[in-house]
Amino acid sequence: GAGVSQSPRYKVAKRGQDVALRCDPISGHVSLFWYQQALGQGPEFLTYFQNEAQLDKSGLPSDRFFAERPEGSVSTLKIQRTQQEDSAVYLCASSLYRGSKGETQYFGPGTRLLVL
Amino acid sequence: AQRVTQPEKLLSVFKGAPVELKCNYSYSGSPELFWYVQYSRQRLQLLLRHISRESIKGFTADLNKGETSFHLKKPFAQEEDSAMYYCALRRYSGGYQKVTFGTGTKLQVIP
Repeated sequence: GAGVSQSPRYKVAKRGQDVALRCDPISGHVSLFWYQQALGQGPEFLTYFQNEAQLDKSGLPSDRFFAERPEGSVSTLKIQRTQQEDSAVYLCASSLYRGSKGETQYFGPGTRLLVL
Repeated sequence: AQRVTQPEKLLSVFKGAPVELKCNYSYSGSPELFWYVQYSRQRLQLLLRHISRESIKGFTADLNKGETSFHLKKPFAQEEDSAMYYCALRRYSGGYQKVTFGTGTKLQVIP
């Protein structure tokens, strides 16, 4: 079946604009994760959803970042008043359950955000 | 707090030479370690995990708790192994998993 998909794949925003990044997880996957990957770095955890519940948002860098998954499937990461330091690749990943031992996270292709 | 360190940003080896990508971690609990790979223009994908003790595409990795290491090894490098490799540590918090990634090592296999 289809893997995790993300849209748009590329986004250029002017500083101060709001952006919305979409993630379509694998159908039926309970867990959904957002990561931020800055240039030359590994992915860093932003937030986690279990179905529609956002159980962890400890990685969101500021209150300009907001994520939702209202029906427990598609998720949107919104960044308000974008800043240049928000430029990064935003990765979405999903897993079938809550992440028991041996369970795999499946990653999307990422959205590359460039803030000018 | 957990931490994953990959000391090499770039590792260049000749085709047929042995490969070792280093990974060290710090974590007070019982770690679950992984290697992820990202080939050019492809998404991040799981390569192998320590609990499976498997060999994937000729790669192996052994968890050494004494040295807190999880180095990735392959006896004979192939050109198709050229990619970014990320070491990752998974822990469980509040009934769900959280993954910490290293900064990655770019493996370049020279023909």
